Amino acid sequence: GAVVSQHPSWVICKSGTSVKIECRSLDFQATTMFWYRQFPKQSLMLMATSNEGSKATYEQGVEKDKFLINHASLTLSTLTVTSAHPEDSSFYICSARGTLAGGYYNEQFFGPGTRLTVL
Amino acid sequence: GENVEQHPSTLSVQEGDSAVIKCTYSDSASNYFPWYKQELGKRPQLIIDIRSNVGEKKDQRIAVTLNKTAKHFSLHITETQPEDSAVYFCAASNPTGRRALTFGSGTRLQVQP
Repeated sequence: GAVVSQHPSWVICKSGTSVKIECRSLDFQATTMFWYRQFPKQSLMLMATSNEGSKATYEQGVEKDKFLINHASLTLSTLTVTSAHPEDSSFYICSARGTLAGGYYNEQFFGPGTRLTVL
Repeated sequence: GENVEQHPSTLSVQEGDSAVIKCTYSDSASNYFPWYKQELGKRPQLIIDIRSNVGEKKDQRIAVTLNKTAKHFSLHITETQPEDSAVYFCAASNPTGRRALTFGSGTRLQVQP
């Protein structure tokens, strides 16, 4: 099956700093990548949808200037949490959907997640 | 947008019993309904999915049913085992509409040995 990697798996940072999280589709091309956030004992909440070569579409209530998303290639999307604060501490999970021609169009394949702790 | 409701939030069963988790969705355009199992601190793992042109699908001890008219779908796990203990999420989307999965709130399943 399709493999999605995410780096780093965990990160601890000081309040006010920025953190970049990478999401890569390893064996397929992903035209669309999604970023989710999951707080403890809660569901996955969609933050934004990222299409290769275009600006990300953010869900209501998600600050686009705080959560910068770049999807520069068909295999890489990045999420940068700028000026992080303790309330941004969460589990961030990306997922990727492949191209129609590539045969991975319906499923979303999830990365292993990044646990962010902001002190 | 899509809204997915999931019940129950917690479910405790004895080993060997069946477990049923139910979800409803709001967007009639949704046509893809996967179920995920998530263990603590790990990514969601797809366990079964169903598309809107099918009413039921089974894979060994796991089955999913879909009622498009009523907009609800259910996960059935038979002969439960302790290793089935996890959080289960239902989801809905319309991939052809390029929409992301919308997740239910999750069900914490505990299988008592």
